[in-house]
Amino acid sequence: EDKVVQSPLSLVVHEGDTVTLNCSYEVTNFRSLLWYKQEKKAPTFLFMLTSSGIEKKSGRLSSILDKKELFSILNITATQTGDSAVYLCAVEGDNQGGKLIFGQGTELSVKP
Amino acid sequence: GAGVSQTPSNKVTEKGKYVELRCDPISGHTALYWYRQSLGQGPEFLIYFQGTGAADDSGLPNDRFFAVRPEGSVSTLKIQRTERGDSAVYLCASSDVGQGAGANVLTFGAGSRLTVL
Repeated sequence: EDKVVQSPLSLVVHEGDTVTLNCSYEVTNFRSLLWYKQEKKAPTFLFMLTSSGIEKKSGRLSSILDKKELFSILNITATQTGDSAVYLCAVEGDNQGGKLIFGQGTELSVKP
Repeated sequence: GAGVSQTPSNKVTEKGKYVELRCDPISGHTALYWYRQSLGQGPEFLIYFQGTGAADDSGLPNDRFFAVRPEGSVSTLKIQRTERGDSAVYLCASSDVGQGAGANVLTFGAGSRLTVL
């Protein structure tokens, strides 16, 4: 059964800290892994990873995939209060038509 | 439209009633997805449309749940004889690729929060 496990489930840090969020997965015929940020209701897209070892970067956020060990990490440096959100990891298997399997999410709270 | 639009944003109903939730995807997106998100959980897949047809409905929990997309654009999720356990946020997403067409990026709507009393 396809499965995504995220850790930690929740995290409280102070502004300026660096955080690392973890995502491990099991999926039949892996196609891609995606990270989303969910602040209120709609998850918003952050990264899509398909190849091992290639870091994706956007500002203070970066992510990398390890297809051998079946995990991904999402790093956020110099955190700000606006980074407070639930971060969702999802995987897509081949021939799944875009059906994503989501993890439980990591709730990040950044205190001033 | 510019984004995925879902209505109503909030729906409170009584146990046993029928509800309809509507999703208007991004214009031109052929693939449309329904997910359900319970408190403290990640979104759970319900059903996926490619055009007008349901390509994968394996996530629908039981036959009280049904979804349609008659013209390949707007979709309606229908829930009959609602139960308290149906209370959740129902998220709709769309994308411009689908089966066998490459890795997908789904764009989500803000969701419809359903509360069954």
